[in-house]
Amino acid sequence: DIQMTQSPSSLAASVGDRVTITCRASQGIRNDLGWYQQKPGKAPQRLIYAASSLESGVPSRFSGSGSGTEFTLTISSLQPEDFATYYCLQHNTFPYIFGQGTKLEIK
Amino acid sequence: EVQLVESGGGLVQPGGSLRLSCAASGFTFGNYYMNWVRQAPGKGLEWVSSISGSGGSAGYADSVKGRFTISRDNSKNTLYLQMNSLRAEDTAVYYCARGNTWGQGTLVTVSS
Repeated sequence: DIQMTQSPSSLAASVGDRVTITCRASQGIRNDLGWYQQKPGKAPQRLIYAASSLESGVPSRFSGSGSGTEFTLTISSLQPEDFATYYCLQHNTFPYIFGQGTKLEIK
Repeated sequence: EVQLVESGGGLVQPGGSLRLSCAASGFTFGNYYMNWVRQAPGKGLEWVSSISGSGGSAGYADSVKGRFTISRDNSKNTLYLQMNSLRAEDTAVYYCARGNTWGQGTLVTVSS
């Protein structure tokens, strides 16, 4: 099975900061990766699909990059509504796997 | 409007069975892979299962393989998850998902 290692597991940052979250796959998954945001008590929302394509309606401060085994989600300038938990998901090969999650907290 | 609505959750004893349903609307259901994802209380997201648009291909997490069965009825625009031999660790909110669209989730509690 493919393993996904997401880092960091938690991150404290301030409004206006630039933050980067990384997911590494144990083997190549092309660009079959999505990034999701989840706020407490809510269903997840996909931000990025195909590693770097921005979902319609998602602010342009979110961006994704990478291919193969290493992927990043970048938020260019944190806004108050961005404090949430973020997950990557590989959907190249069954079983699909979510990363362990990154909880983004206010510093 | 694309919408997914789950139902069928509830309290079940260990070893019991439950069938979840997900009613889809607002898109051509049979054209899309569909997924079940779960989240145990206070834990991260766990992919459970996916099924192709035709129903001819499916995959399962190792944790549920052999106990859960995903299926779909394209004539009814409905996705199912048959869950057998339920364990306490299956307690979670179960979400139906299609790419960027998720349902509100249904809670499954396995407890005696």
